[in-house]
Amino acid sequence: GAVVSQHPSWVICKSGTSVKIECRSLDFQATTMFWYRQFPKQSLMLMATSNEGSKATYEQGVEKDKFLINHASLTLSTLTVTSAHPEDSSFYICSARGERGTPGGYEQYFGPGTRLTVT
Amino acid sequence: AQSVAQPEDQVNVAEGNPLTVKCTYSVSGNPYLFWYVQYPNRGLQFLLKYITGDNLVKGSYGFEAEFNKSQTSFHLKKPSALVSDSALYFCAVRRENTGGFKTIFGAGTRLFVKA
Repeated sequence: GAVVSQHPSWVICKSGTSVKIECRSLDFQATTMFWYRQFPKQSLMLMATSNEGSKATYEQGVEKDKFLINHASLTLSTLTVTSAHPEDSSFYICSARGERGTPGGYEQYFGPGTRLTVT
Repeated sequence: AQSVAQPEDQVNVAEGNPLTVKCTYSVSGNPYLFWYVQYPNRGLQFLLKYITGDNLVKGSYGFEAEFNKSQTSFHLKKPSALVSDSALYFCAVRRENTGGFKTIFGAGTRLFVKA
């Protein structure tokens, strides 16, 4: 089945630094990728939707200059948290979607998540 | 606007007993409905989905869900719960929009299965 990986699985960084999270579709091409944020004991909140080769579409209230998303290829999207602060600490989950008629199909597959802790 | 409600924060059930995790939805047009399960510090695992057809949908790990259009519900069920079923369960609705779709999640229901 379609697999989505994330790297790193967990990261600790100091306040003011930037951290990059990678999301890869391992066995299918993902024209669209989604980034979610999940606070403890809460649901997933969609941060942004990115399409390969174009700018990401951010949800209302998400700072695009703080959460930089790059979807440079059909198998890789990155989320960079710039100038991280403790309130950015969270569980970040990516998701990838293929296209109809391709391996994986027009479905959404989720990565295992990345836990970010900002000290 | 599309939305998903999971009225129970937590469901407790004894091992071997049937379980139900409730979900109601509000969506214009025909709904695409999903259930996912999340174990601690892990991503979401797909359980089942309803697109069209039979109202009773069977999914992974013995789970099933019943689509009820009149009650706008999509409750998750399992005839006999296992301790290993203890996890966080999310109901979701897919909303089509320009260029693709967007998935909206409910708040989640934590299931505890006691041995």
